[in-house]
Amino acid sequence: QKEVEQNSGPLSVPEGAIASLNCTYSDRGSQSFFWYRQYSGKSPELIMSIYSNGDKEDGRFTAQLNKASQYVSLLIRDSQPSDSATYLCAVKGSGGSNYKLTFGKGTLLTVNP
Amino acid sequence: EAQVTQNPRYLITVTGKKLTVTCSQNMNHEYMSWYRQDPGLGLRQIYYSMNVEVTDKGDVPEGYKVSRKEKRNFPLILESPSPNQTSLYFCASRYGAQIYNEQFFGPGTRLTVL
Repeated sequence: QKEVEQNSGPLSVPEGAIASLNCTYSDRGSQSFFWYRQYSGKSPELIMSIYSNGDKEDGRFTAQLNKASQYVSLLIRDSQPSDSATYLCAVKGSGGSNYKLTFGKGTLLTVNP
Repeated sequence: EAQVTQNPRYLITVTGKKLTVTCSQNMNHEYMSWYRQDPGLGLRQIYYSMNVEVTDKGDVPEGYKVSRKEKRNFPLILESPSPNQTSLYFCASRYGAQIYNEQFFGPGTRLTVL
């Protein structure tokens, strides 16, 4: 069973700070990685995807990938109270499971005004 | 508007009473799947479908059935619900099996089995 691990949190940061969310995965063949944001009681929504080693920036969000370490992270700069949500890391399987997304359990982020 | 819809959004039922949760998408997506989300366990895949009449088990299929007779619809059937199936259920779809295509989630169905 391929696994995706995240710190459950809660992670609490002050408004304006950088929030750092981390994720590790067990499937060494995985090539595609995603971050979803989920507000309480709502459905997950895709905020970032990353496929290559290094950083990918989109507005206040930066995804970082290190395939050798099997590690992917999400940085949120200038955190806002509206960023308070659970962040789910999702990893595409490899080989015969390349159609499947495996989700971590999520990290709850709270941004304090 | 491109969307995935689920019905009902909330359901309280009793053990053993068959129920169906409907899922429909208007994006002509080939791939559809069902997840359940439980505190501390995250999102777990129940069943998925690659296309019409092609379905397969996910990680937690016990106690569930699905069908895919039309491309747009992917109902989740609980033949004899039990309290351990109390959960938040999400339907999801995407264009093709390729993960490069964004996966869209429905609004969720909160099911309580007494």
